[in-house]
Amino acid sequence: DAKTTQPTSMDCAEGRAANLPCNHSTISGNEYVYWYRQIHSQGPQYIIHGLKNNETNEMASLIITEDRKSSTLILPHATLRDTAVYYCIVRVGSNYKLTFGKGTLLTVNP
Amino acid sequence: GAVVSQHPSWVICKSGTSVKIECRSLDFQATTMFWYRQFPKQSLMLMATSNEGSKATYEQGVEKDKFLINHASLTLSTLTVTSAHPEDSSFYICSAPSNRDQPQHFGDGTRLSIL
Repeated sequence: DAKTTQPTSMDCAEGRAANLPCNHSTISGNEYVYWYRQIHSQGPQYIIHGLKNNETNEMASLIITEDRKSSTLILPHATLRDTAVYYCIVRVGSNYKLTFGKGTLLTVNP
Repeated sequence: GAVVSQHPSWVICKSGTSVKIECRSLDFQATTMFWYRQFPKQSLMLMATSNEGSKATYEQGVEKDKFLINHASLTLSTLTVTSAHPEDSSFYICSAPSNRDQPQHFGDGTRLSIL
C-alpha cells in the first residue's frame, strides 16, 4: 500500500472548518484514500473514503486532487468533540489490511 | 451501521496469567478480522489477520505462540495473550470489514495492564 504523509498536529477554532491535508504521491490507480479518526482511548472511527471523485457524507468532505497525489479532509464546522488523531490511509479496495501512520492530532479550541 | 464489539474493555491481571479478548461482529458475518496493538502515544500496529476456519496470519515479529488467535465462527474471533508480562500491557483493538467493498469497522479496544 502507498505511504502517506500528514502534518503531526493542527489547531482549529470551534465552529470553523478544519482542513486536514494528506500527501500520497505514490498512490496507484486502484488504491482508495480512506480517512479514520481516533478519539483518545477509543477504537478508530471510519470517516470517509474515495477513489477519484470528491466525496461528501454527514461527517466530512474529501477532496482528492486530479493527479490523486494528495487529498484534503474537510470538517465543515469543527466542534470540541472532533479533537482526535486523524489518519489518512491508502489501500487497494480488495486488500483489507490497513497500515496506520502517525496521523494528525487535530485540536479544536473553544 | 455495522458494529464490532470487544470484550472486556479493560483488564488488569498478574504477570504470568493468560488473558482472552473477544471480538464480535454484531450484525454481519466476518470471515476476516484483524488484531492491532497500540502502545501509548504510538499508532496502531497490525498484529495478525484472523481467518474463519483456518490459521491466523501473523505480522513479522509477532509471536504466534504468545498471541493465540481463534476464529471459530463468522461472528467471533478471540485473542489470547498467554503468560502475559508487563511489556504486553497495551491497547488491543480488533476490526472487521462487513463486506469486500466496505470500510473496516473497529471495536472500542481492550486496555490490558499486566502487574
